Amino acid sequence: GAVVSQHPSRVICKSGTSVKIECRSLDFQATTMFWYRQFPKQSLMLMATSNEGSKATYEQGVEKDKFLINHASLTLSTLTVTSAHPEDSSFYICSARSGWGLDEQYFGPGTRLTVT
Amino acid sequence: GENVEQHPSTLSVQEGDSAVIKCTYSDSASNYFPWYKQELGKGPQLIIDIRSNVGEKKDQRIAVTLNKTAKHFSLHITETQPEDSAVYFCAAISSGSARQLTFGSGTQLTVLP
Repeated sequence: GAVVSQHPSRVICKSGTSVKIECRSLDFQATTMFWYRQFPKQSLMLMATSNEGSKATYEQGVEKDKFLINHASLTLSTLTVTSAHPEDSSFYICSARSGWGLDEQYFGPGTRLTVT
Repeated sequence: GENVEQHPSTLSVQEGDSAVIKCTYSDSASNYFPWYKQELGKGPQLIIDIRSNVGEKKDQRIAVTLNKTAKHFSLHITETQPEDSAVYFCAAISSGSARQLTFGSGTQLTVLP
């Protein structure tokens, strides 16, 4: 149980285009989802927290107009990187929490974004 | 906010030996401490966790200990195997309403055959 999927696993896009990454909880309802960014050989950096049906809460320094997050249902959250630039190239990972008051977070397999 | 420090950054052990990774946290109100294993190119996998009302938890070859007074917790892996090679992250839940994870900087564990 507690499986989180992400799609796509890898994406290459041209500078200036937008990319959408999907995160799904496959066998549970995710009341809260998180989006992280990870650079090579570094730890995970939280970008935003989203609760189903609510606007995402972004961490300081993360541009909400550039990284659009939608948590439209209890099993799906999307991250759209708008007007991508090479510096946006990174490993993006989502995670999900299954219920209010629960602390366990389960992570997706990640999406490798390369902007050329 | 919460700050989690993790040591060592790299650790090499011989197959069959034990490995210990240590973390300290700053927020005395933190009460949930998970450990994640991340293989190259993959997302982190929850391998064990401990809550502040417990001092030790074990799951087969993996154990975690917690010292609330000293605000540190450790991951112990016994009888290490090559497949244990990965990056390990400790984390702590902050005391804010969002209950967000604060991660340590990671430990690259290499088990030498």
